[in-house]
Amino acid sequence: DVKVTQSSRYLVKRTGEKVFLECVQDMDHENMFWYRQDPGLGLRLIYFSYDVKMKEKGDIPEGYSVSREKKERFSLILESASTNQTSMYLCASNLANQPQHFGDGTRLSIL
Amino acid sequence: GENVEQHPSTLSVQEGDSAVIKCTYSDSASNYFPWYKQELGKGPQLIIDIRSNVGEKKDQRIAVTLNKTAKHFSLHITETQPEDSAVYFCAASPMNTGFQKLVFGTGTRLLVSP
Repeated sequence: DVKVTQSSRYLVKRTGEKVFLECVQDMDHENMFWYRQDPGLGLRLIYFSYDVKMKEKGDIPEGYSVSREKKERFSLILESASTNQTSMYLCASNLANQPQHFGDGTRLSIL
Repeated sequence: GENVEQHPSTLSVQEGDSAVIKCTYSDSASNYFPWYKQELGKGPQLIIDIRSNVGEKKDQRIAVTLNKTAKHFSLHITETQPEDSAVYFCAASPMNTGFQKLVFGTGTRLLVSP
């Protein structure tokens, strides 16, 4: 079974802090994705990566950056956290033209 | 860009009834349409998907239909059970992205009462 692991289930940070969310997959998938999920808005794509050190902006990249130094790990970075970034963050991965597999999410609160 | 609308936002049914969730999409180039189920405290899990060269796909109690002309697709769950209670998301993938860039609907909360 595909395993996508997000390092934290819950995280509380303060405004202005630099925040790192980590995601690891164990199936040698080329593609990895970061989404945020908000009530009534569904899942929205923040960034994705199709190879090591390669990344592309999704639909809502403002205020975020990403890092993919190894194939199995994809990090989402909030450079200076703000309260409007309080949300559920979901990581996913897949092989080309195959379904995306999701982790269980990190619920991030910015105070 | 692609836009996906999903209805209804909530759906309550009795155990054993059928449930239907509908989605419309805007980009005629979209060619892949997955459905995900998200249980409380968990990430979305793929339950069924369909590609644009197929009109219908079935897997036990779950089926998906696709109408390319009207640009809508639907999830059908028959003989619903309490464990079907969850949030369901549809999604569409525009053909030109190459990396299966999914655009999601806003979700349907399904409640199945015993």
